[in-house]
Amino acid sequence: GENVEQHPSTLSVQEGDSAVIKCTYSDSASNYFPWYKQELGKRPQLIIDIRSNVGEKKDQRIAVTLNKTAKHFSLHITETQPEDSAVYFCAGDQTGANNLFFGTGTRLTVIP
Amino acid sequence: GAVVSQHPSRVICKSGTSVKIECRSLDFQATTMFWYRQFPKKSLMLMATSNEGSKATYEQGVEKDKFLINHASLTLSTLTVTSAHPEDSSFYICSARGTGVQPQHFGDGTRLSIL
Repeated sequence: GENVEQHPSTLSVQEGDSAVIKCTYSDSASNYFPWYKQELGKRPQLIIDIRSNVGEKKDQRIAVTLNKTAKHFSLHITETQPEDSAVYFCAGDQTGANNLFFGTGTRLTVIP
Repeated sequence: GAVVSQHPSRVICKSGTSVKIECRSLDFQATTMFWYRQFPKKSLMLMATSNEGSKATYEQGVEKDKFLINHASLTLSTLTVTSAHPEDSSFYICSARGTGVQPQHFGDGTRLSIL
């Protein structure tokens, strides 16, 4: 099955700075890569996703880039705010089954 | 749109009890539902995938007789933890997906504590 690795496990940034989280995947046939934000004790919420037919997608302060050749994708958050503090999970799908396999998560702390 | 409701949100019960968790898609038809388990400060571990009207597909290492999954309709899936023991204590989260390649939408999760 798909194996998704995520780095870093923790990330602290000053408010206003940018944050970047990186993930790699193993299944070259995977074609859907969502990012979820999870606050403590709450449900994971989809914040952005990208499909393999595009290399970049942006939604206001959030962007995701995908490099299919290298099998890695990244989440970029610009102008970070304290409310961005949460755990972020990347995921890749298991092609054919559409199961999602999650990375290990990144705990982002934005320091006011 | 795409709201998934999960109940109960928290369960505390004695060892040996069976616990049923419900997952409902409120405004869309969930062709596929997924059940995850999450340990504190850890990632989401896929337990099983269920398609409406068919048997669930369990991930390796997940006991199907321990974690019974039923997906009887396009809006409801249930997970029953049978004869629960303290080691089954965890945060269980369901998600649902409509037809085709779509995002998964998550329920609020159920925190299960077995005494």
